[in-house]
Order: sequence, then C-alpha cells, then structure tokens
Amino acid sequence: GAGVSQSPSNKVTEKGKDVELRCDPISGHTALYWYRQSLGQGLEFLIYFQGNSAPDKSGLPSDRFSAERTGGSVSTLTIQRTQQEDSAVYLCASSLFSYEQYFGPGTRLTVT
Amino acid sequence: LAKTTQPISMDSYEGQEVNITCSHNNIATNDYITWYQQFPSQGPRFIIQGYKTKVTNEVASLFIPADRKSSTLSLPRVSLSDTAVYYCLVGAGGYNKLIFGAGTRLAVHP
Repeated sequence: GAGVSQSPSNKVTEKGKDVELRCDPISGHTALYWYRQSLGQGLEFLIYFQGNSAPDKSGLPSDRFSAERTGGSVSTLTIQRTQQEDSAVYLCASSLFSYEQYFGPGTRLTVT
Repeated sequence: LAKTTQPISMDSYEGQEVNITCSHNNIATNDYITWYQQFPSQGPRFIIQGYKTKVTNEVASLFIPADRKSSTLSLPRVSLSDTAVYYCLVGAGGYNKLIFGAGTRLAVHP
C-alpha cells in the first residue's frame, strides 16, 4: 500500500519568504508527527497530531512555525519569514502505535 | 524519556554479524526499547522493539539483559546495504514523540 508522502521533495526559498510543507499520512493512521533533521544531525521533534488536534507542540522552535491537520489526514507545516537556520530536511511520520512510526521521504528546505 | 548512549560509529565487513550496544541506565519500569534504521536521504525505519529477554524478526535480533540497563541490536551477516545510522530509543509504550540521539553510524565494507 501507499506509504507516507511529502511534497515538495525539495524547496529553495529566499530568506523572509513563507513556505508550506505538506504531508499525506498512511490511510487510517490517526497519529501524525513532524520532525526536522539538520545536515548530519539527529532528528528533532516538532509537533504531534492525534486526529486533528495537536496535544504536543512543544518542539516548534518559534512562533514562525505552525501546523495544522484537516480531516484527520493531510497536514501542512508552515514556516513564516524563513531564516537560514530553518534549512533542514523536514520529515513527517504517521502511526497507529506511537513507537512504530512510518516516515515519509522528507522535504529538503534550503533558505538562501 | 530515558537517555541512551551508543557508539558514534562502527565498521564491519560483508557477511559478519554486527552487534550494536545501547546503554540506558535510567530506564523506567514501563519503558520499551526500540531501534530505528536510517539510510542516507531517507526517513528512519522501525526495525525492532522489545521489553526484556530476546526478540527476533526477519531483520534483526534484540537482546535485553535482566536489569534492562542496556540492549544489543544484532544484525546477522550484514551486507553493504546495511550501511546506515542505527538509533536506539527508550520510552513508555504510550509515548508519542520519538527522541532520537546521534545514533550509531555503521559502515559495512566489501
């Protein structure tokens, strides 16, 4: 069956612009997660959705970052007024059981 | 979530068995031990999870001693395609976010 998909696969944007990253989870998975991974680093948790609500937003690095999920399915991560330190791979994962998360291929964001 | 410590890197050769040990001295009673694998330019992939003793699946085995303060991921007869970063995570079965450490970078050589 289809896995987690993310779009775009690559995004280059100018500093100060807003970007939207999309995640399509595995059908039926109620939980959805966003992480980011800087070059050569481990993964950093950003936000967790259960259904359409986000009980844990503790990882969002600043108020420039926001995320929403609609219909218990697709999620969008929005970064406003992008900065160079936002450059990273943004990974989305979905799961039925929280310890077994299925990751998408990621969106590589480059802020110039 | 309990803190984990694992080697930064390991080297092996094709056909050998590789054992990666993770220390988690402050593991809690209700914590499980989970391992993920990440290839370059891909998201992590769940490998195996266990609570105590030994767990085996088609990919790997996980050995957990009685005190549960460490665990060992065993990869039998590795191939070049097993070159990846391996992450050890510890948390309660109901935990939501995964806290990834630096992981162990395994390089398999011909």
